[in-house]
Order: sequence, then C-alpha cells, then structure tokens
Amino acid sequence: AQSVTQPDIHITVSEGASLELRCNYSYGATPYLFWYVQSPGQGLQLLLKYFSGDTLVQGIKGFEAEFKRSQSSFNLRKPSVHWSDAAEYFCATPQGGGADGLTFGKGTHLIIQP
Amino acid sequence: NAGVTQTPKFQVLKTGQSMTLQCAQDMNHEYMSWYRQDPGMGLRLIHYSVGAGITDQGEVPNGYNVSRSTTEDFPLRLLSAAPSQTSVYFCASSPGTGGLGSYEQYFGPGTRLTVT
Repeated sequence: AQSVTQPDIHITVSEGASLELRCNYSYGATPYLFWYVQSPGQGLQLLLKYFSGDTLVQGIKGFEAEFKRSQSSFNLRKPSVHWSDAAEYFCATPQGGGADGLTFGKGTHLIIQP
Repeated sequence: NAGVTQTPKFQVLKTGQSMTLQCAQDMNHEYMSWYRQDPGMGLRLIHYSVGAGITDQGEVPNGYNVSRSTTEDFPLRLLSAAPSQTSVYFCASSPGTGGLGSYEQYFGPGTRLTVT
C-alpha cells in the first residue's frame, strides 16, 4: 500500500527564516502527493499537489514543494515564514488506485518564534 | 457553493449512546470519505463511498456505519459510542471523475466528538 512518512513531529522556526518540512513516500510508480495545512481548530486546506511533470510545484501562501524520486521525498518549503504559518502540516497520498481516500502522514507541528 | 458542510460542530455522548454525524456537499462530487483525527495519528480513513449506493471500509471502520442514498449526503453513524471514539471527525469529497483532479479531497470543518 502507498504510504507517506513525516519524520518531524515538531519544527520551530524564527519568523522570517526559511522553512523545510520533510515528507517521504513509499510507492514504486510516480505517486500523487499532497500537502495540506490545518490551522488550530480548523479543517484542512490544500496547499499544493503533485501529479507528474515539473518536480517543483508552487502552492498557495508562498509555499512550494519539490518531488525527488531519487530520495523518495516531497519536501515542503517556504523562503520566509510568517507568524500566521504556525499550524499543523500534513503530507498525503491516495490510499489505493482510485480517488477513494487519502493516506496521511502523522503531521508536523510548526511553531513560529518571534 | 457551501462546499462540504458538517453538523454538529461539537457533540458530547455517553458511552452506549448512538448518533449520526451529518455530511453534505454541493459540488456534485462522486466520492466522499470520513476520517478521524487523533493527536499524533494524523487522519485515518474510516469509510468511503465512490457513488450513491456504494460504500467501502477504510483503515479504521469498526464501530461506524455509513450509507450513501444520494450524491450529496454521506452520514456517519455511531451505533454504540465508546470513549475510544472520542476524536475529531472530518468529511471530505472529491470529484472522482477520472483524471488528475479526482484525487484532490475537499474537507469539511469537522465535528469534535467526546464520549464520556
């Protein structure tokens, strides 16, 4: 079965600093990959998605992610974080062959220091 | 469009009680799913549906029932609530029409359920 792993439970970054959140996937063919963000007490919002083609994907709120097949990774990046970026971030991939639900990583909690 | 709506937002149940979490979408999406979110566990798939009249189990289906009589609605039923079902529940939908957009899930705001 397809799966994703987020190795970092918590990440602390100073406001204005760059950010990289890690996601590793387990799948033989080219996977479909997503990053979602969840602000406190809110639902999940899609930041960006990768299906094929360009390995650098641009998303909303200034986020981008790079697909690296050689490293089985799909890391999320932002050049300069804002206090409003403090949230929970989830990497996800389809659980099976169809649009029948996603498998999520356990999430990375991002803390922004002033 | 309202997107995906869920009711109620909060619910407290006693052990053994039953209830139904409501989910509706107005995007004419074929696929709908229910997830539960627990601290440190991410989101886990409970049940999903690929169309009216068709449902299937996800990763953690025990203790939950679903049905899909219309494209718009996908209620989740707890037949006999247990403290282990204390969680935040999210409903999601996706187009499911084939192609790349099929996999993208649109989430509702969630229902926070406490079972005492």
